[in-house]
Amino acid sequence: KAGVTQTPRYLIKTRGQQVTLSCSPISGHRSVSWYQQTPGQGLQFLFEYFSETQRNKGNFPGRFSGRQFSNSRSEMNVSTLELGDSALYLCASSTGPTGAEAFFGQGTRLTVV
Amino acid sequence: KQEVTQIPAALSVPEGENLVLNCSFTDSAIYNLQWFRQDPGKGLTSLLLIQSSQREQTSGRLNASLDKSSGRSTLYIAASQPGDSATYLCAVSPTLGSGYSTLTFGKGTMLLVSP
Repeated sequence: KAGVTQTPRYLIKTRGQQVTLSCSPISGHRSVSWYQQTPGQGLQFLFEYFSETQRNKGNFPGRFSGRQFSNSRSEMNVSTLELGDSALYLCASSTGPTGAEAFFGQGTRLTVV
Repeated sequence: KQEVTQIPAALSVPEGENLVLNCSFTDSAIYNLQWFRQDPGKGLTSLLLIQSSQREQTSGRLNASLDKSSGRSTLYIAASQPGDSATYLCAVSPTLGSGYSTLTFGKGTMLLVSP
């Protein structure tokens, strides 16, 4: 079956703009999590959603927001982009809200210039 | 706050060697531990998942062990091959009572296997 799909794969944006990233989980998975990966900080947690409810939120500024739709697809939005937002954004899906194996997408590479 | 440390940060070995990657975590109240592989610029591929009640899991040339009480896990790779070159990450998930499954990651071990 299809894996986790993230779109787009690559994005180049200018400082001050906003961006929306999309994640389609594995069919039947209802939990979606987002992570930011940078060379200096490694993988940092952004959000976790289960059945359209945000279950957990990482320590990121309010410019970072997300949501999950009834079909379990998720989007995250970053407003007023800063150079430091340049990163690989990874989405993971799992079957449930606790303890299930996580499967990751290929990521969206965001470059802010 | 859970912290995960991976040692070494980088490892270079000749093809055919058996090797061990280490992962330690500060809070033993975990539900499971997962090992991932990441190729440059790519997403994470799940290698092994060990539930907190288990001691080890095996998949092909990979064997992962878990000692929850001491906060340690090891990933053993037998007969390494150049195709094993990648960054290996371990991550732990919190106990069921937390209500979520947010993973806490180590910074990874970058492995290079030379022909």
